[in-house]
Amino acid sequence: GNSVTQMEGPVTLSEEAFLTINCTYTATGYPSLFWYVQYPGEGLQLLLKATKADDKGSNKGFEATYRKETTSFHLEKGSVQVSDSAVYFCALNFGNEKLTFGTGTRLTIIP
Amino acid sequence: DVKVTQSSRYLVKRTGEKVFLECVQDMDHENMFWYRQDPGLGLRLIYFSYDVKMKEKGDIPEGYSVSREKKERFSLILESASTNQTSMYLCASSPPGQGHYSNQPQHFGDGTRLSIL
Repeated sequence: GNSVTQMEGPVTLSEEAFLTINCTYTATGYPSLFWYVQYPGEGLQLLLKATKADDKGSNKGFEATYRKETTSFHLEKGSVQVSDSAVYFCALNFGNEKLTFGTGTRLTIIP
Repeated sequence: DVKVTQSSRYLVKRTGEKVFLECVQDMDHENMFWYRQDPGLGLRLIYFSYDVKMKEKGDIPEGYSVSREKKERFSLILESASTNQTSMYLCASSPPGQGHYSNQPQHFGDGTRLSIL
């Protein structure tokens, strides 16, 4: 079946540091890939997505590139802010509307 | 903006009770979903619905049922609540996908934190 593996957290960084959260997937074929973010006390919201190989999704300074050869979709940001503190979920869907989520990575940014 | 509203942010119920969690969306989306979120397990799909009166089991349907009598409302029912159903429950909706590979994002409510005592 389909699965998503994320790097385990929690991740703690200083403000303005470079961020990478790793995500790899297992799926038959070429799914669409997503990053969702959950701020404290809220539901999930879509951060970015990519629908085919070599696509780059970007939003709010975050980027992720769909790498078919390594089945990866790593999330990056060049300079994080305290307001980026949240839980980040990598997800995929394939052939239907159901999403398969990773376990989430909690990110804390300290001033 | 899409609005997905869950009826309660916090709920406390007793073992054996029948519990109803309500979710309403205002964007006329065909698809609606119920997940539970647990530390270290991420989000797991309980049930989903592609249309009114249609429902399909997700990955962990045991102990739950759902109802979709109107397009905008999707209810999750715990038939006889147990302590292992203490969790955060998230509802989501989305429009139907285009073509074979769906890439429509899901829109989430703020969640209901349910405690079963």
